[in-house]
Amino acid sequence: QKEVEQNSGPLSVPEGAIASLNCTYSDRGSQSFFWYRQYSGKSPELIMSIYSNGDKEDGRFTAQLNKASQYVSLLIRDSQPSDSATYLCAVNMGTGNQFYFGTGTSLTVIP
Amino acid sequence: DAMVIQNPRYQVTQFGKPVTLSCSQTLNHNVMYWYQQKSSQAPKLLFHYYDKDFNNEADTPDNFQSRRPNTSFCFLDIRSPGLGDAAMYLCATSRSWGGYTFGSGTRLTVV
Repeated sequence: QKEVEQNSGPLSVPEGAIASLNCTYSDRGSQSFFWYRQYSGKSPELIMSIYSNGDKEDGRFTAQLNKASQYVSLLIRDSQPSDSATYLCAVNMGTGNQFYFGTGTSLTVIP
Repeated sequence: DAMVIQNPRYQVTQFGKPVTLSCSQTLNHNVMYWYQQKSSQAPKLLFHYYDKDFNNEADTPDNFQSRRPNTSFCFLDIRSPGLGDAAMYLCATSRSWGGYTFGSGTRLTVV
């Protein structure tokens, strides 16, 4: 069973705060993890990838991976109203480069 | 700019009337994917082509078919659309490993 679970939210944070988004997955053998941002009515946009346990930082975004706990998270520092979107967690499962998505967490950054 | 192009952006079809959605790419990626995304749900992988090799997800209905005549183009055929097939259909491409590039999607309405 290929499952990717996210808290659907909505998550609201004030401008300038840290937003924390979480994701768990079912396949212990998964090796690649991505975070996508999706604005309403638009297609997903890749914002972060992570492959190894620990933290990976890119600008205001930090991805955290714990394979033993089958858990991946995304932190958004200094949140901006333009960060308001749905954030999708995608996990590689199976023998190829197929990614399975969570239902997404809706984030609203309040000015 | 290298990109993934889906046509049309909006498609209205009649119940039971075959419909084809198209996707083209200039990225020269060897893997192409079709996802179905219904409102407030996760993108659901329907199938993908790894080069010329077709890979169907186990739970993809037989009503959905795909063709990839060359590296650049991929088509999604819905043989007899039902009301439950109304959704956003997302085409994505990737190299053998790594994140996806999504097209802008085709929103299908079935009347």
